[in-house]
Amino acid sequence: EPEVTQTPSHQVTQMGQEVILRCVPISNHLYFYWYRQILGQKVEFLVSFYNNEISEKSEIFDDQFSVERPDGSNFTLKIRSTKLEDSAMYFCASSPGEGKNIQYFGAGTRLSVL
Amino acid sequence: AQSVTQPDIHITVSEGASLELRCNYSYGATPYLFWYVQSPGQGLQLLLKYFSGDTLVQGIKGFEAEFKRSQSSFNLRKPSVHWSDAAEYFCAVVKVYGGATNKLIFGTGTLLAVQP
Repeated sequence: EPEVTQTPSHQVTQMGQEVILRCVPISNHLYFYWYRQILGQKVEFLVSFYNNEISEKSEIFDDQFSVERPDGSNFTLKIRSTKLEDSAMYFCASSPGEGKNIQYFGAGTRLSVL
Repeated sequence: AQSVTQPDIHITVSEGASLELRCNYSYGATPYLFWYVQSPGQGLQLLLKYFSGDTLVQGIKGFEAEFKRSQSSFNLRKPSVHWSDAAEYFCAVVKVYGGATNKLIFGTGTLLAVQP
C-alpha cells in the first residue's frame, strides 16, 4: 500500500539553525500538508499546498517557515531560524483531492531544538 | 469557528472490555468526521471516516463510530478491546469551504491504556 514517507525520523538542531524536513507524498496525490504536534498538545495545521503554491496557512506559519515541492516527488518544510518552541513532531500528509478525500499521514519527524 | 472536543484525556480499560471514546464537534454545516489512531512512535493512521449517509460507520481493527447530529457527536466504539489497541486516539473534522483545501482540525486526543 502506498505511504507517505518522512525523513529524518528525528532531527536535533541548535537554536537559530535552519532545518529542512522532507516528505515524499503518495505519488498520485495533489494536495500536501504539514501539521505539527507539540508534546502533550493537539495536532495543529500549519500549511496546505496545491498546484505549486500555498493554499492556506495558519497563524503559526510565519516568515520563518517555507514549503517547497522542488521536484515531482518531494515536499519540504524549511524552518529558517529555529526557536526552542519549534520543538515538536512534524507530520506531512497528502490527499488525492478536496472534499471527500482522506489525508494520509507520514510517521512524522521529531524536531528537537536545543 | 470549527472545533473538536475530546472530553477524556486518559482512559484505562481491561482487555476484552468494551470501549467508547467521546468526540463532540462544533461546525456550521454537515461535517466530515474522522478518527485517527497514533501508536507510540508511529504516525497517524485513519480508523474510519464519516462523510454522509449511514450514521454508523465501520472502520479498521473492529472499530465503529456513530454520527449523531442532534448531539454533535461522533463517538468511537469497540466491543472488545485488545492490548494492541493501546494508543492515542484523535477525532478530527475537516474544514470545508468552497475552492479551498481541507485542513483537519483535531481534538486534543484520548490516550487509551489497556490492562491485562
